Amino acid sequence: GENVEQHPSTLSVQEGDSAVIKCTYSDSASNYFPWYKQELGKRPQLIIDIRSNVGEKKDQRIAVTLNKTAKHFSLHITETQPEDSAVYFCAASPPRGAGSYQLTFGKGTKLSVIP
Amino acid sequence: KAGVTQTPRYLIKTRGQQVTLSCSPISGHRSVSWYQQTPGQGLQFLFEYFSETQRNKGNFPGRFSGRQFSNSRSEMNVSTLELGDSALYLCASRAGNVQETQYFGPGTRLLVL
Repeated sequence: GENVEQHPSTLSVQEGDSAVIKCTYSDSASNYFPWYKQELGKRPQLIIDIRSNVGEKKDQRIAVTLNKTAKHFSLHITETQPEDSAVYFCAASPPRGAGSYQLTFGKGTKLSVIP
Repeated sequence: KAGVTQTPRYLIKTRGQQVTLSCSPISGHRSVSWYQQTPGQGLQFLFEYFSETQRNKGNFPGRFSGRQFSNSRSEMNVSTLELGDSALYLCASRAGNVQETQYFGPGTRLLVL
């Protein structure tokens, strides 16, 4: 099955700096890669996703890049703010047909933005 | 639209007991997936239901089971509880087409004593 590795497990940055979280996946058939943000005591929320036919996607201060050849994808957060502090999860899904999919998650990165 | 809801939010059980958790998806969503979240293992996929049929299953023992009703509400059951089953159980719903956004519920925190 799919295996997703996520690094680093913890990340501290100064407010205003950039943060980068990296993930690698094992199944070359995976074609959907979402990123979720989970604040303490709250549910995971999708912040951005990318499909395998796209190399990069941006949404304001957040961007995700995908390298299918190397089987890795990264989350970039620019101009970090204290409210960006949370645990971030990457995930990958291979197609399973008939509209079903199974997300395999990385272990998460705890991002702390220091004011 | 109202978001994904889960009941109960907190549960305390003892070893050997069984538990049933409930998930109500977003209106119109036909797919419900269940995940177990623990500090050590992170988010792990349990199973997915679509139109009352289980479409995918993760690597969990048979003590973990689920079902989905005609109104898309889903239940998850864990029998013969073990201490290691203590976790946050999250369900997520999506419309059911390929690779659409998955929306998570607030979770049920289960503590097994």
